Amino acid sequence: AQTVTQSQPEMSVQEAETVTLSCTYDTSESDYYLFWYKQPPSRQMILVIRQEAYKQQNATENRFSVNFQKAAKSFSLKISDSQLGDAAMYFCAYRSPTGANSKLTFGKGITLSVRP
Amino acid sequence: EAQVTQNPRYLITVTGKKLTVTCSQNMNHEYMSWYRQDPGLGLRQIYYSMNVEVTDKGDVPEGYKVSRKEKRNFPLILESPSPNQTSLYFCASSLVHLAGVAETQYFGPGTRLLVL
Repeated sequence: AQTVTQSQPEMSVQEAETVTLSCTYDTSESDYYLFWYKQPPSRQMILVIRQEAYKQQNATENRFSVNFQKAAKSFSLKISDSQLGDAAMYFCAYRSPTGANSKLTFGKGITLSVRP
Repeated sequence: EAQVTQNPRYLITVTGKKLTVTCSQNMNHEYMSWYRQDPGLGLRQIYYSMNVEVTDKGDVPEGYKVSRKEKRNFPLILESPSPNQTSLYFCASSLVHLAGVAETQYFGPGTRLLVL
């Protein structure tokens, strides 16, 4: 079974600075998807960024980018120019590409605070 | 607007009183799933459905039932709720391609349940 580990429960960043959130996973599959979801105080789950394992290029979405290290099974999220609205809980998630159930396997999450 | 809706958003009930949390999507998605979120545990899958009349257990199905009589609806039923089912519940949906379930799942706004 796949597992996702987010070892840091909390992090803090100064507004306008850069922060990196760590995530590692364990799988025996060679093809899969990885995601970062943001959960603000409203509790809505918002997709931040997605990475396909077969792509060597790291995904980027505006201020958000990932560092995907397939051999190390590491998938970190970098937030550049941090804004107050980035304060939220962030979840790393894994998903198999095929199969009868494509459930998302989530890490425990990390709470990010942004200092003004 | 494409969306997943859940009702109610907040619910306080007592042990043993049957309840249903509704989930509806307007994107014609085949795949639907229920997750529960608990502090320190991330999100865990309860049940999922690949299409109408096709449902199966996820990781934590005990104490829950689901049905999929229509493509757009996937209600979660708690026949006899207990305090350990106090949680935040999310419904999610996704397309299913020939190769399997599409990579991105869309989440509803969440239902916060308190069982006394």
